[in-house]
Amino acid sequence: GESVGLHLPTLSVQEGDNSIINCAYSNSASDYFIWYKQESGKGPQFIIDIRSNMDKRQGQRVTVLLNKTVKHLSLQIAATQPGDSAVYFCAENSFMDTGRRALTFGSGTRLQVQP
Amino acid sequence: DVKVTQSSRYLVKRTGEKVFLECVQDMDHENMFWYRQDPGLGLRLIYFSYDVKMKEKGDIPEGYSVSREKKERFSLILESASTNQTSMYLCASSLLDRDYEQYFGPGTRLTVT
Repeated sequence: GESVGLHLPTLSVQEGDNSIINCAYSNSASDYFIWYKQESGKGPQFIIDIRSNMDKRQGQRVTVLLNKTVKHLSLQIAATQPGDSAVYFCAENSFMDTGRRALTFGSGTRLQVQP
Repeated sequence: DVKVTQSSRYLVKRTGEKVFLECVQDMDHENMFWYRQDPGLGLRLIYFSYDVKMKEKGDIPEGYSVSREKKERFSLILESASTNQTSMYLCASSLLDRDYEQYFGPGTRLTVT
């Protein structure tokens, strides 16, 4: 699969502030973009997805923005809490040679929330 | 509550040993996946399966095989473990038509000495 990358490996924010985690992708054919959260000692957990025909999607305290012109994806977390401390992965869902779809994950950004 | 369980949290094996990693899901999901996670590399897909006895290679299948004899169980096999297979192995499952929303197990930390 093609690469999915992140701009920053670690992001430190104050509790209560908003967090923005960025991701660059390279596969224009991807039809879904997804964010996962991985807490220490656990497997990744699905947060939110956005289809390629959308540019914004909101969830509970989270917003994902998709800019297809510059192939950029971001996750915004409002009023960041200590429980948001984790590694965040962006992923793209694209077609393999067999026609099946698979996720390609980025390398992750660690979010540290300071009290 | 949805659940994906993996047979071991920690495993230590010797070079050349045959290793079995087991994964079970209780959500009646069609899709199951095996990833390995290494620092700085994110998650890389080894194999996945979309039905019983069906499998497809992911990005890094070399040195691995899989088995899916029952819908709820997906096994990863290292035929002859090598030190470069020391890693965290993650299993996941999803519905057939929601393959982007995957449910992950807690992972197995495998060390090959």
